[in-house]
Amino acid sequence: EMQLVESGGGLVQPGGSLRLSCVASGFPFSSYSMFWVRQVPGKGLLWVSRISHDGSSTTYADSVKGRFTISRDNDNNTLYLQMHSLRAEDTAVYYCARPFYPFYYIDVWGKGTTVTVSS
Amino acid sequence: DIVMTQSPVSLSVTPGEPASISCSSSQSLLHHDGNNYLDWYLQKPGQSPQLLIYLGSNRASGVPDRFSGSGSGTDFTLKISRVEAEDVGIYYCMQPLQTPLTFGGGTKVEIK
Repeated sequence: EMQLVESGGGLVQPGGSLRLSCVASGFPFSSYSMFWVRQVPGKGLLWVSRISHDGSSTTYADSVKGRFTISRDNDNNTLYLQMHSLRAEDTAVYYCARPFYPFYYIDVWGKGTTVTVSS
Repeated sequence: DIVMTQSPVSLSVTPGEPASISCSSSQSLLHHDGNNYLDWYLQKPGQSPQLLIYLGSNRASGVPDRFSGSGSGTDFTLKISRVEAEDVGIYYCMQPLQTPLTFGGGTKVEIK
């Protein structure tokens, strides 16, 4: 069974940092690009970032560019999202997601990890 | 960025009746490969989103055939032929044609 399990969420003060992790299983992780998608509670979905299968290429939403860094460890089937300079508006559930190449529809989603930015 | 607009915002449907959700994009989602890069997702209460339809009209594995997607270019429709109680949740369209990938605002479907 294909599975994505996120962790690392929590309560952090504005301006603080947090690193999210996502462990993949049930599919060849190193063959797939990966996404982070977030959702403010009660609101819609926002794509945050993408990383290529080998980590050589990354893309970010403008709202997080320069503050967030996506990375991966293919030896350990793990995706990361390092978040710095966190703001209240970054408060959300963060989902790890697998896009199906080459059409990039998201066919595997994690259950999400909650990040709360508040003093 | 491609802006995705969904309507209606909410829908209350009698079980067994049909439902239809519209999604429009600010730019054409028709790729030169002939595919429309438009997907539909359902987020059931308390769950992560799940893929329903990809490339405009292809049902994902395990999705009941009462769900269908249609449209091309900038205008798309998700239809449920006969709504069931398990179909409640928020439906989102998404374009994966270019980054940033963008989602519609969602359509909440409730059962009368």
